[in-house]
Formats: sequence, structure tokens, C-alpha cells
Amino acid sequence: NAGVMQNPRHLVRRRGQEARLRCSPMKGHSHVYWYRQLPEEGLKFMVYLQKENIIDESGMPKERFSAEFPKEGPSILRIQQVVRGDSAAYFCASSPGQGLGYTEAFFGQGTRLTVV
Amino acid sequence: QKEVEQDPGPLSVPEGAIVSLNCTYSNSAFQYFMWYRQYSRKGPELLMYTYSSGNKEDGRFTAQVDKSSKYISLFIRDSQPSDSATYLCAIPMDSNYQLIWGAGTKLIIKP
Repeated sequence: NAGVMQNPRHLVRRRGQEARLRCSPMKGHSHVYWYRQLPEEGLKFMVYLQKENIIDESGMPKERFSAEFPKEGPSILRIQQVVRGDSAAYFCASSPGQGLGYTEAFFGQGTRLTVV
Repeated sequence: QKEVEQDPGPLSVPEGAIVSLNCTYSNSAFQYFMWYRQYSRKGPELLMYTYSSGNKEDGRFTAQVDKSSKYISLFIRDSQPSDSATYLCAIPMDSNYQLIWGAGTKLIIKP
């Protein structure tokens, strides 16, 4: 089991471009969570998805940000028209059931987005 | 006031020392408390998950909760250079997937 795979590991975008972050959960996990980590700050919840459903997107900015977890393929976090303030590490986690309190819940290594 | 406060460090101690890492929180309704370890350029990994007050031990790690003081601690015995990492406390909100995180304490164990 390869663990939670995120790609790319590093992404550089110019202001106004789109950023697309991918997360492949662990095999057998159907629950995916996205978190954002700003420098010197703790992680902040963004969105919780199950296959083909957004369960809770209360932590995601209303504009420019969207997330999906299709029936086939990885979960995608999309940021349109990026701004410098979007520069952060974006982490994805997956679990076999709802919640992050499982020993079987794991985080990926993150995608570090830099907006120039 | 932040809901979870954590000293960012860095905390530097010699190998073999007992390490004490701490967080304070503001909401007395919190019941579950988690400690994560994050190596540089990696994702967080769950170390300990405790409920309510008291101690929980796992090998060299002990998590302690003092609800009267709203204070949680992680102790590491016989610290090793491989324990050098950032340690983050996290507290689930009403749901068990929306975690409130401390900013993390960077720990350095000197050989």
C-alpha cells in the first residue's frame, strides 16, 4: 500500500493562473479531507469528501476554490485565479470511515503551492 | 484568543532527556485530544489520541490531559535524534474530521 499520494509535490503558479492539486487516497479508503497549512500556522480544515459527494465544504473559501472526488480517479482541489495569499502547503488525508481519529487515517506529504 | 495555543519553539534538548510539549485550549467542551508528529516536508502522522482527562502511555510517549486547566501535554522519554520533528496538538470540533490545530512546536534532539 503506497499510502496517500499527492501530486505534484511542488507547484509554482503565476498570479491569475489555475492550480490543480491531486490526492489519491489509500486503497480501501473512501473518505478524503483537504487541509491547508500556512507558514507558522496550524492546519486549517477545508473540505471533506466521499466518492462523488462533497460532505462538508465549510472551510473552503466560497470563491475560486472547488473540490471533487469522482467515482474513478483521484480527488482534485482546484484553485482558480490564484493570488499570493494562496501560497501554502495543502495536505490531503484519507480514512476508511468518517473521521481522523482512526489509526488507519493518514495524511499525504502535501503539495507546496507557491504563487509568484 | 486562539482556540488552541502552542509554543512554536524551537525546543532543543540533549539525547536521552525527557521532553515536555504542551498546548492550551479555550473551549471547556472539548473532549478529545490528539498529538501529531510532522517531519520536515512530510505530512502529519497521528501519535496519540486521548479522551477526557488523565494519562495515556504508548512506548516512550505519554499524553496527559488536565481539563481543569485546559492544558494538554506530550512527554517523550529517552528522547532520540529521530524524534526531531514538529509536534502538533489537534482537537476535534463537533465533527471528528474538523480538527483545530496548534501551530506546532519544533523539537530538536541533539546527539
